[in-house]
Amino acid sequence: NAGVTQTPKFQVLKTGQSMTLQCAQDMNHNSMYWYRQDPGMGLRLIYYSASEGTTDKGEVPNGYNVSRLNKREFSLRLESAAPSQTSVYFCASSGGSGNWDVLKKAFFGQGTRLTVV
Amino acid sequence: RKEVEQDPGPFNVPEGATVAFNCTYSNSASQSFFWYRQDCRKEPKLLMSVYSSGNEDGRFTAQLNRASQYISLLIRDSKLSDSATYLCVVNRPGAGSYQLTFGKGTKLSVIP
Repeated sequence: NAGVTQTPKFQVLKTGQSMTLQCAQDMNHNSMYWYRQDPGMGLRLIYYSASEGTTDKGEVPNGYNVSRLNKREFSLRLESAAPSQTSVYFCASSGGSGNWDVLKKAFFGQGTRLTVV
Repeated sequence: RKEVEQDPGPFNVPEGATVAFNCTYSNSASQSFFWYRQDCRKEPKLLMSVYSSGNEDGRFTAQLNRASQYISLLIRDSKLSDSATYLCVVNRPGAGSYQLTFGKGTKLSVIP
């Protein structure tokens, strides 16, 4: 049981380049999330998907797009990378079957360390 | 007021000490509460849920005060391995889903 898998783990981009961060979960969770974490800023929600076929903006969506490809996969795309997008990106999922407590816990991928130069 | 606020620390405590972390949240519609632990350069991992009646897991005790919108985490008999950043997390209804909102975290260093 892999949990939440993110690829790539590390990436260096030049300003203006595009890339897609991939995320997949095998826990049959309904909800998936993308966060970024910067020093002193904590985890900030970029986008989330409550269920397959739906996506919503979080706290810091500008410069990003997402696709909920199916129940398992939720990708994050940077169309034109900027140095301000240098960060650690975490994908998470939650909301599988079970009791209330189980339903709301989130599980994280190992993160993608992105540097934009 | 930020949705979830924590004292950033750092808390530097000797082994064996008791340390308490506090957290406040602003959205009264919040329904679920958690403490996560994050080690340096690693992903956050669930430490424990927080229930209204208070709950304990070994050396860790979590408490919730809904009236004051306040959450706490108490660590007794601190170990070197407890050194990490502790994140207060609140889960509230969002647009058709439940959104997790994280505090910025409190850094704990347990010193030999």
